[in-house]
Amino acid sequence: SYELTQPPSVSVSPGQTASITCSGDKLGDKYAVWYQQKPGQSPVLVIYQDIKRPSGIPERFSGSNSGNTATLTISGTQAMDEADYYCQAWDNSAVWVFGGGTKLTVL
Amino acid sequence: EVQLVESGGGLVQPGGSLRLSCAASGFTFSNSAMNWVRQAPGKGLEWVSGISNSGDSTVNADSVKGRFTISRENSKNTLYLQMNGLRAEDTAVYYCAKDIRPKIREEGAFDIWGQGTMVTVSS
Repeated sequence: SYELTQPPSVSVSPGQTASITCSGDKLGDKYAVWYQQKPGQSPVLVIYQDIKRPSGIPERFSGSNSGNTATLTISGTQAMDEADYYCQAWDNSAVWVFGGGTKLTVL
Repeated sequence: EVQLVESGGGLVQPGGSLRLSCAASGFTFSNSAMNWVRQAPGKGLEWVSGISNSGDSTVNADSVKGRFTISRENSKNTLYLQMNGLRAEDTAVYYCAKDIRPKIREEGAFDIWGQGTMVTVSS
Protein backbone atom coordinates (compact mmCIF):
# COMPACT_ATOMS: atom_id res chain seq x y z
CA SER A 1 0.00 0.00 0.00
CA TYR A 2 1.09 3.55 -0.67
CA GLU A 3 2.65 5.48 2.20
CA LEU A 4 3.29 9.15 2.87
CA THR A 5 5.99 10.02 5.38
CA GLN A 6 6.15 13.28 7.34
CA PRO A 7 8.55 14.37 10.09
CA PRO A 8 6.78 14.13 13.47
CA SER A 9 7.72 17.65 14.43
CA VAL A 10 9.11 20.89 13.04
CA SER A 11 10.05 23.99 15.03
CA VAL A 12 10.33 27.54 13.74
CA SER A 13 10.85 30.98 15.22
CA PRO A 14 8.17 33.61 14.69
CA GLY A 15 8.67 35.47 11.43
CA GLN A 16 10.87 32.74 9.96
CA THR A 17 10.06 30.24 7.22
CA ALA A 18 8.77 26.79 8.11
CA SER A 19 9.05 23.89 5.69
CA ILE A 20 7.14 20.66 6.21
CA THR A 21 7.93 17.76 3.93
CA CYS A 22 5.88 14.80 2.78
CA SER A 23 7.61 11.89 1.06
CA GLY A 24 6.18 9.13 -1.06
CA ASP A 25 7.18 7.04 -4.04
CA LYS A 26 6.87 9.23 -7.16
CA LEU A 27 4.72 11.66 -5.19
CA GLY A 28 5.56 14.32 -7.77
CA ASP A 29 3.44 12.39 -10.28
CA LYS A 30 0.41 12.83 -8.03
CA TYR A 31 -1.35 15.85 -6.57
CA ALA A 32 -0.43 16.73 -2.99
CA VAL A 33 -2.95 18.21 -0.58
CA TRP A 34 -2.26 19.82 2.81
CA TYR A 35 -4.47 20.32 5.87
CA GLN A 36 -3.99 22.26 9.07
CA GLN A 37 -5.54 21.00 12.30
CA LYS A 38 -5.47 22.91 15.55
CA PRO A 39 -6.18 21.17 18.89
CA GLY A 40 -9.82 20.31 19.32
CA GLN A 41 -10.75 21.53 15.85
CA SER A 42 -11.55 19.95 12.51
CA PRO A 43 -8.94 19.97 9.73
CA VAL A 44 -8.77 22.93 7.37
CA LEU A 45 -7.66 22.70 3.74
CA VAL A 46 -4.64 24.97 3.13
CA ILE A 47 -3.15 23.70 -0.17
CA TYR A 48 -4.60 21.51 -2.91
CA GLN A 49 -3.38 20.31 -6.32
CA ASP A 50 0.19 20.92 -5.12
CA ILE A 51 0.16 24.71 -5.18
CA LYS A 52 -3.38 26.11 -5.00
CA ARG A 53 -4.66 28.02 -1.98
CA PRO A 54 -8.36 27.99 -1.11
CA SER A 55 -9.95 31.38 -0.59
CA GLY A 56 -9.30 32.68 2.90
CA ILE A 57 -5.93 30.96 3.30
CA PRO A 58 -3.14 33.51 3.80
CA GLU A 59 -0.57 33.99 1.05
CA ARG A 60 2.20 32.94 3.45
CA PHE A 61 1.11 29.34 2.84
CA SER A 62 2.55 27.80 -0.33
CA GLY A 63 3.20 24.35 -1.70
CA SER A 64 5.46 22.51 -4.09
CA ASN A 65 5.75 18.94 -5.29
CA SER A 66 8.51 17.26 -7.26
CA GLY A 67 10.20 13.90 -7.40
CA ASN A 68 9.34 12.02 -4.23
CA THR A 69 8.69 15.02 -1.99
CA ALA A 70 5.94 17.56 -1.51
CA THR A 71 6.65 20.57 0.67
CA LEU A 72 4.38 22.95 2.56
CA THR A 73 6.11 26.27 3.17
CA ILE A 74 4.90 28.88 5.62
CA SER A 75 6.64 32.22 5.16
CA GLY A 76 6.72 34.70 8.01
CA THR A 77 5.32 32.09 10.39
CA GLN A 78 2.98 33.40 13.04
CA ALA A 79 2.02 32.00 16.42
CA MET A 80 -1.44 31.22 15.05
CA ASP A 81 0.15 28.80 12.57
CA GLU A 82 1.10 26.42 15.37
CA ALA A 83 -0.86 23.25 14.55
CA ASP A 84 -0.66 19.74 13.14
CA TYR A 85 -0.25 19.54 9.38
CA TYR A 86 -1.21 16.56 7.25
CA CYS A 87 -0.40 15.81 3.64
CA GLN A 88 -2.70 13.72 1.45
CA ALA A 89 -2.52 12.09 -1.96
CA TRP A 90 -4.58 9.79 -4.15
CA ASP A 91 -3.15 6.33 -4.59
CA ASN A 92 -3.48 4.47 -7.87
CA SER A 93 -5.31 1.69 -6.02
CA ALA A 94 -8.20 4.14 -5.68
CA VAL A 95 -7.78 5.22 -2.10
CA TRP A 96 -6.91 8.44 -0.37
CA VAL A 97 -3.78 8.32 1.78
CA PHE A 98 -2.80 10.69 4.58
CA GLY A 99 0.66 11.27 5.97
CA GLY A 100 1.20 10.70 9.66
CA GLY A 101 1.12 14.40 10.45
CA THR A 102 3.67 17.00 11.54
CA LYS A 103 3.36 19.07 14.68
CA LEU A 104 4.54 22.61 13.94
CA THR A 105 5.80 24.48 16.98
CA VAL A 106 6.36 28.22 16.79
CA LEU A 107 8.80 29.29 19.49
CA GLU B 1 -23.28 29.25 5.78
CA VAL B 2 -21.64 26.14 4.38
CA GLN B 3 -21.95 23.46 7.03
CA LEU B 4 -21.66 19.74 7.68
CA VAL B 5 -23.13 18.32 10.87
CA GLU B 6 -22.44 14.71 11.86
CA SER B 7 -24.56 12.67 14.21
CA GLY B 8 -25.07 9.08 15.29
CA GLY B 9 -21.88 8.42 17.21
CA GLY B 10 -21.82 6.74 20.59
CA LEU B 11 -20.70 3.74 22.59
CA VAL B 12 -21.15 0.33 20.99
CA GLN B 13 -19.97 -3.15 21.89
CA PRO B 14 -17.47 -5.03 19.71
CA GLY B 15 -19.29 -6.69 16.83
CA GLY B 16 -22.08 -4.15 16.99
CA SER B 17 -23.42 -1.72 14.41
CA LEU B 18 -23.88 2.02 14.13
CA ARG B 19 -25.07 4.38 11.42
CA LEU B 20 -23.57 7.83 11.15
CA SER B 21 -25.29 10.69 9.37
CA CYS B 22 -23.94 13.94 7.99
CA ALA B 23 -26.37 16.76 7.20
CA ALA B 24 -25.14 19.24 4.62
CA SER B 25 -26.27 22.83 4.12
CA GLY B 26 -25.14 26.00 2.37
CA PHE B 27 -23.96 24.35 -0.85
CA THR B 28 -25.33 22.15 -3.63
CA PHE B 29 -24.84 18.75 -2.03
CA SER B 30 -25.50 16.81 -5.24
CA ASN B 31 -22.56 18.53 -6.97
CA SER B 32 -19.87 17.19 -4.64
CA ALA B 33 -18.26 13.87 -3.84
CA MET B 34 -18.26 13.19 -0.11
CA ASN B 35 -16.00 11.31 2.25
CA TRP B 36 -15.68 9.95 5.77
CA VAL B 37 -12.36 10.45 7.57
CA ARG B 38 -11.61 9.25 11.08
CA GLN B 39 -9.12 10.15 13.76
CA ALA B 40 -8.37 7.84 16.66
CA PRO B 41 -7.65 9.58 19.98
CA GLY B 42 -4.27 11.26 19.81
CA LYS B 43 -3.59 9.87 16.33
CA GLY B 44 -3.54 11.12 12.76
CA LEU B 45 -6.17 11.29 10.05
CA GLU B 46 -7.32 8.14 8.28
CA TRP B 47 -9.54 8.22 5.20
CA VAL B 48 -12.38 5.69 5.48
CA SER B 49 -14.79 5.91 2.54
CA GLY B 50 -15.76 8.10 -0.40
CA ILE B 51 -18.79 8.42 -2.67
CA SER B 52 -19.32 10.28 -5.92
CA ASN B 53 -21.84 13.09 -6.24
CA SER B 54 -24.51 10.85 -7.74
CA GLY B 55 -23.78 7.92 -5.47
CA ASP B 56 -22.95 5.58 -8.34
CA SER B 57 -19.34 5.12 -7.28
CA THR B 58 -17.91 4.30 -3.86
CA VAL B 59 -14.45 3.48 -2.57
CA ASN B 60 -13.32 2.20 0.81
CA ALA B 61 -10.13 1.82 2.79
CA ASP B 62 -8.94 -1.76 3.16
CA SER B 63 -9.38 -1.48 6.91
CA VAL B 64 -13.17 -1.18 6.58
CA LYS B 65 -13.94 -3.13 3.39
CA GLY B 66 -16.79 -5.54 3.87
CA ARG B 67 -17.83 -3.89 7.14
CA PHE B 68 -18.62 -0.23 6.37
CA THR B 69 -20.94 1.09 3.67
CA ILE B 70 -21.11 4.70 2.54
CA SER B 71 -24.27 6.06 0.95
CA ARG B 72 -26.03 9.34 0.32
CA GLU B 73 -29.51 10.73 -0.13
CA ASN B 74 -29.24 13.84 -2.28
CA SER B 75 -32.92 14.70 -1.82
CA LYS B 76 -32.21 15.05 1.91
CA ASN B 77 -28.70 16.53 1.59
CA THR B 78 -27.45 13.74 3.81
CA LEU B 79 -24.45 11.42 3.82
CA TYR B 80 -24.40 8.15 5.73
CA LEU B 81 -21.92 5.60 6.99
CA GLN B 82 -23.28 2.22 8.01
CA MET B 83 -20.75 0.52 10.25
CA ASN B 84 -21.09 -3.19 11.00
CA GLY B 85 -18.79 -5.62 12.77
CA LEU B 86 -17.25 -2.83 14.81
CA ARG B 87 -13.88 -3.40 16.44
CA ALA B 88 -11.98 -1.63 19.18
CA GLU B 89 -9.65 -0.18 16.55
CA ASP B 90 -12.60 1.61 14.94
CA THR B 91 -12.78 3.89 17.98
CA ALA B 92 -12.30 7.41 16.64
CA VAL B 93 -13.82 10.75 15.83
CA TYR B 94 -15.53 10.39 12.46
CA TYR B 95 -15.61 13.43 10.19
CA CYS B 96 -17.57 13.88 7.02
CA ALA B 97 -15.79 15.97 4.43
CA LYS B 98 -16.88 17.60 1.18
CA ASP B 99 -14.76 17.09 -1.91
CA ILE B 100 -14.03 19.95 -4.27
CA ARG B 101 -14.81 17.60 -7.19
CA PRO B 102 -17.97 15.66 -8.08
CA LYS B 103 -16.11 12.41 -8.65
CA ILE B 104 -13.58 10.63 -6.45
CA ARG B 105 -10.39 11.41 -8.31
CA GLU B 106 -6.84 12.45 -7.69
CA GLU B 107 -7.58 16.09 -8.39
CA GLY B 108 -9.82 16.21 -5.35
CA ALA B 109 -9.39 17.69 -1.90
CA PHE B 110 -11.60 18.08 1.14
CA ASP B 111 -12.58 21.73 1.53
CA ILE B 112 -15.35 21.50 4.10
CA TRP B 113 -15.28 19.33 7.25
CA GLY B 114 -17.86 18.69 9.91
CA GLN B 115 -17.17 18.94 13.62
CA GLY B 116 -16.98 15.16 13.95
CA THR B 117 -18.86 12.54 15.93
CA MET B 118 -17.19 10.20 18.40
CA VAL B 119 -17.52 6.45 18.03
CA THR B 120 -16.32 4.30 20.92
CA VAL B 121 -16.18 0.53 20.55
CA SER B 122 -15.82 -1.12 23.92
CA SER B 123 -17.40 -3.78 26.10
